[in-house]
Amino acid sequence: DAGVIQSPRHEVTEMGQEVTLRCKPISGHNSLFWYRQTMMRGLELLIYFNNNVPIDDSGMPEDRFSAKMPNASFSTLKIQPSEPRDSAVYFCASSWGNYNSPLHFGNGTRLTVT
Amino acid sequence: AQSVAQPEDQVNVAEGNPLTVKCTYSVSGNPYLFWYVQYPNRGLQFLLKYITGDNLVKGSYGFEAEFNKSQTSFHLKKPSALVSDSALYFCAVSVISSGSARQLTFGSGTQLTVLP
Repeated sequence: DAGVIQSPRHEVTEMGQEVTLRCKPISGHNSLFWYRQTMMRGLELLIYFNNNVPIDDSGMPEDRFSAKMPNASFSTLKIQPSEPRDSAVYFCASSWGNYNSPLHFGNGTRLTVT
Repeated sequence: AQSVAQPEDQVNVAEGNPLTVKCTYSVSGNPYLFWYVQYPNRGLQFLLKYITGDNLVKGSYGFEAEFNKSQTSFHLKKPSALVSDSALYFCAVSVISSGSARQLTFGSGTQLTVLP
């Protein structure tokens, strides 16, 4: 079991550029979550997919953010255009089953927007 | 709306001493409670969970947590702390929202430092 795989681990970009973060969940898991972690705001849920369908995107900050899950083994989080305040660590997590199943987190993508 | 509070940003304990990291929650209905640990530059790792049954839950690395319904608490404990336990700890609560969607809320985290 390779765990949840995120790429890239680090991303440095200039304000206004498009950023795409990638996630491969654990095989067989049917739920996928994107979180953002900052010192100021802690851990925030951005969006949650179940069986590849977005269930709750109320945490997506604004229209600059979008997420897709074209199949059960891949998801992307895109920011276009990026802004310095988007700088954070972005985590992807997956789980199987229902509400009492633990989440398995990737090691995150550290995004710096200058 | 559900919420989780971790009242201490920082907990320091001497190696070998017992440790407690506090967590209180607020939900409508039955809570499903979790503890996660985060080491530097890593994602969160699951430690233990309470779903139902015995109020004392045992988890990974010798950690345990006690569910107290009357106090709406789920404190994390370990009888003898190790320096390697130093990390950021998160409490989380999960309930089913409308349409069977999952709502998982994390606390703000507690930095545990075990001093040699």
